[in-house]
Amino acid sequence: AQKVTQAQTEISVVEKEDVTLDCVYETRDTTYYLFWYKQPPSGELVFLIRRNSFDEQNEISGRYSWNFQKSTSSFNFTITASQVVDSAVYFCALSGGDNDMRFGAGTRLTVKP
Amino acid sequence: DTEVTQTPKHLVMGMTNKKSLKCEQHMGHRAMYWYKQKAKKPPELMFVYSYEKLSINESVPSRFSPECPNSSLLNLHLHALQPEDSALYLCASSQALDRELADTQYFGPGTRLTVL
Repeated sequence: AQKVTQAQTEISVVEKEDVTLDCVYETRDTTYYLFWYKQPPSGELVFLIRRNSFDEQNEISGRYSWNFQKSTSSFNFTITASQVVDSAVYFCALSGGDNDMRFGAGTRLTVKP
Repeated sequence: DTEVTQTPKHLVMGMTNKKSLKCEQHMGHRAMYWYKQKAKKPPELMFVYSYEKLSINESVPSRFSPECPNSSLLNLHLHALQPEDSALYLCASSQALDRELADTQYFGPGTRLTVL
């Protein structure tokens, strides 16, 4: 069975602070895919990143960076110099090759001005 | 263009009504999905269509009936719903279902459904 744990239910930071959202996963598949999505108050899920299990390279995209560590089954997401527009619920998700994607419970991030 | 559109945005219906939710994508994707999201919960997969055929049905009650008329359209027909079915219904699409590859799913804005 696939499982994603996002232990942080809510995080509140002040603008310009760095913040890391944690994601721990469980799977028996050797090939799997990890995702991060952002859900602003409007409701639409916005795709941020996709990683496959064979690619442990960390990735940076602007203020966003992701740290994938198979040894600890973690795929953490860091926002540098947070902004008010980053306020949203962030979901980590896991999928095997069958596209049956399972989401973590989500972390609600509030960035205060 | 990564747009998935859903109509209506909001829907209020009684328990005896019949209504339909619609989803459309023009990205040439061949897999489409329905998710249900209750308040403060993650999305839960309901159905997956691959090449217009139902490939996954996550034990959803029969009062929800999906339909995929063509590769761009996905409907969800609703009948005799219960108040606990009130939720945000999200549609998504991805390039194709390949058992060796999990494609990125792109989501629509959702339909917020209230059942009275």
